[in-house]
Amino acid sequence: GQQLNQSPQSMFIQEGEDVSMNCTSSSIFNTWLWYKQDPGEGPVLLIALYKAGELTSNGRLTAQFGITRKDSFLNISASIPSDVGIYFCAGQPAGNEKLTFGTGTRLTIIP
Amino acid sequence: NAGVTQTPKFRVLKTGQSMTLLCAQDMNHEYMYWYRQDPGMGLRLIHYSVGEGTTAKGEVPDGYNVSRLKKQNFLLGLESAAPSQTSVYFCASSWGQRETQYFGPGTRLLVL
Repeated sequence: GQQLNQSPQSMFIQEGEDVSMNCTSSSIFNTWLWYKQDPGEGPVLLIALYKAGELTSNGRLTAQFGITRKDSFLNISASIPSDVGIYFCAGQPAGNEKLTFGTGTRLTIIP
Repeated sequence: NAGVTQTPKFRVLKTGQSMTLLCAQDMNHEYMYWYRQDPGMGLRLIHYSVGEGTTAKGEVPDGYNVSRLKKQNFLLGLESAAPSQTSVYFCASSWGQRETQYFGPGTRLLVL
């Protein structure tokens, strides 16, 4: 099955820094989602995108649905300690009702 | 309103043993899903259901069976556990195909 290419795999940043991560696919997607997973918990939806070019914010988080419909980006501004976790992109390919997940970006904040 | 709950939280099995993982949701969602999460692999869909009494195969269905006898419950069965099934299993539910999926807290399974 197809998996999305998510990068970077891990990030080590200092508190207050901005964060950028992205997800790419070889095929067209109708929906892009970004989830965050805390240790020992299930993923929680952060942002959902449904249209090419769409730019959506949720507090300090901003995500974009790529114009080509083959990629998506997530930015976190002014990171804080509670941003630590694993971020997953997920998408629904055109003509397919099932979600495909990326391999995750592990965010660590260095004291 | 508990959302999505999973039972048990953690289990150790010997190779060849069987077990059933229970997922329950109280949001009246039609769709339910079982995923497994392995290091570096993200989440992979095992089976899913689009309504009571229905089930369908996902990306990695081999070695698992599911049942959706009641709308609120989705059971994942392992008939003969193998070490390759050591993983974290997540259940999720949603209103529909393009609706947000809500995840449970996960079940950690270790097969020796």
